[in-house]
Amino acid sequence: QSALTQPPSASGSPGQSVTISCTGTSSDIGAYNYVSWYQQHPGKAPKLMIYEVTKRPSGVPDRFSGSKSGNTASLTVSGLQAEDEADYHCSSFSGSSNPVVFGGGTKLTVL
Amino acid sequence: QLQLQESGPGLVKPSETLSLTCTVSGGSISSSNSHWGWNRQAPGKGLEWIGSIYYTGSTYYNSSLTSRVAISVDTSKNQFSLSLSSMTAADTAVYFCARYITGSIADSWGQGILVTVSS
Repeated sequence: QSALTQPPSASGSPGQSVTISCTGTSSDIGAYNYVSWYQQHPGKAPKLMIYEVTKRPSGVPDRFSGSKSGNTASLTVSGLQAEDEADYHCSSFSGSSNPVVFGGGTKLTVL
Repeated sequence: QLQLQESGPGLVKPSETLSLTCTVSGGSISSSNSHWGWNRQAPGKGLEWIGSIYYTGSTYYNSSLTSRVAISVDTSKNQFSLSLSSMTAADTAVYFCARYITGSIADSWGQGILVTVSS
């Protein structure tokens, strides 16, 4: 069982927006602004898409955005494209004793 | 362009110890702003952080694996390694090495290596 809770699936049509949630606790997401989101295509390594809740690494389209409220973080993908179909994983810093926690992943389907 | 590459056996017998190595190229493992970590993903499951190491040798482990895991670094070879003992079928997974910056942000990943535990 993963430390962070994500819905197993999400979907949207091309051009639409979809939001994926990631729920933690006051010891991880609620305590630190170190939420990251990763995109993973089948058989590939994860790719960093969002870090520190809202920041995008160079090269990540601005269609991807992140936010946080309390113990829940969210990833929004706007203007869905076929290549956005992938698994998305959230993670958070969780203090020095167990620094990195992940969610169970959400499979995003572009209809 | 930083690149990481995992190497090691693809098949391990139950009760044996898994040893994997991650070779870093395109950058120094002694970088002051980087930690180096191992993660895994069981078939059809989410990611699990195993542990991380700083080039000085300071380590951080997942509390659920502490009794079985050890991570080491060889700065002369620009490599870091994972040792996971008492392997069982539940440890079957793709193992990824990654660079961590500032907290829990993994900005570079290896391609992953599938490790199957079976007799």
